Amino acid sequence: DAKTTQPTSMDCAEGRAANLPCNHSTISGNEYVYWYRQIHSQGPQYIIHGLKNNETNEMASLIITEDRKSSTLILPHATLRDTAVYYCIVSAVSNDYKLSFGAGTTVTVRA
Amino acid sequence: EAQVTQNPRYLITVTGKKLTVTCSQNMNHEYMSWYRQDPGLGLRQIYYSMNVEVTDKGDVPEGYKVSRKEKRNFPLILESPSPNQTSLYFCATTSRLGPGNTIYFGEGSWLTVV
Repeated sequence: DAKTTQPTSMDCAEGRAANLPCNHSTISGNEYVYWYRQIHSQGPQYIIHGLKNNETNEMASLIITEDRKSSTLILPHATLRDTAVYYCIVSAVSNDYKLSFGAGTTVTVRA
Repeated sequence: EAQVTQNPRYLITVTGKKLTVTCSQNMNHEYMSWYRQDPGLGLRQIYYSMNVEVTDKGDVPEGYKVSRKEKRNFPLILESPSPNQTSLYFCATTSRLGPGNTIYFGEGSWLTVV
């Protein structure tokens, strides 16, 4: 699976959009981009995933560049409850379906 | 509601005393796995199971055993726990069907071995 690079940490003001970048320059054509988050040692929670097109759901939007070498997760209106570690993962569908979680980005939403 | 239930959530035990952490899911997923999370090391996969009676080692299987006798349950067994197995453990599950599968995690089990 391709490796990802994320900033170690970032702050965001409550009510503002949070834009979380992720670089995955070695991504392969069959690899998806996944985003998960982990709130204070709870189980990681799925946010969104995409292959080539931009995606949006009730939690967030995912913008993938045309060359697929980077992506941005957008939390449109960050709340204090969005404070968490956010993991960007790229992975192909494989027999073991293992996702490799790196260090992620610690996002702190401030009032 | 999709649920992955782990028990116990918190446990302090002594070196060498066998213990089992249970995991149960209500989504009829074929694939289940166990991870441990340690500071600075992220989530590491211990064992996974593709279906009933099918299990395989992940990245850090030493000191652990698993079984998959029924689809919904995937217990993690520590036959002789040691202090280096003190960690936060997560059970996870996903369906095999379709691409871009999401993984559902349990709430975690804090295990301390003294």
